[in-house]
Amino acid sequence: QQPVQSPQAVILREGEDAVINCSSSKALYSVHWYRQKHGEAPVFLMILLKGGEQKGHDKISASFNEKKQQSSLYLTASQLSYSGTYFCGGWAGNTPLVFGKGTRLSVIA
Amino acid sequence: DTGVSQDPRHKITKRGQNVTFRCDPISEHNRLYWYRQTLGQGPEFLTYFQNEAQLEKSRLLSDRFSAERPKGSFSTLEIQRTEQGDSAMYLCASSTTLMDRGHNSPLHFGNGTRLTVT
Repeated sequence: QQPVQSPQAVILREGEDAVINCSSSKALYSVHWYRQKHGEAPVFLMILLKGGEQKGHDKISASFNEKKQQSSLYLTASQLSYSGTYFCGGWAGNTPLVFGKGTRLSVIA
Repeated sequence: DTGVSQDPRHKITKRGQNVTFRCDPISEHNRLYWYRQTLGQGPEFLTYFQNEAQLEKSRLLSDRFSAERPKGSFSTLEIQRTEQGDSAMYLCASSTTLMDRGHNSPLHFGNGTRLTVT
């Protein structure tokens, strides 16, 4: 069963912040985040392992709450280049990444 | 690191025909994955290999789909008797398991093969 992402879509002005949530009904070993721009392949952003990990990468960070099986991606001071569709994916057991339906992020000037 | 390459980039075929796609992973990656993506959806897992062994195949995958990775390097995905519902982007990805069982190794995706069944 695929993770559930929210919101489905969000529009931001440059400089605004956003949070994308990912929730799983299955226990996950890890959560991956990817960004896909229109017509391109998904590109890896970061991985979070179980254990309540948090990670940061430039102005993009994420957390993973193992008890709730929820992960959140935080985009701070958004830039035009952040536009795209964000996918979370989880490893559960030995079944490879199952991705959510994605959150479409549009950053406008 | 030349990245994951897929061939062809586009394929148009008539319903009922067979098609085969090729994926060349990053050379040092021992895992190779096939995903399918339709418009507005996330990538849907199809199957994956570790070296030449096919470790898992999606239960949703029709018997018309078969994949091979004969020497643990490139892989092929064949769809027999194509149907219009097979129209999608077929993505290949690769990763390594050098550090763990693969759970914290990022997937590197190719640009995909877009299949259109008419």
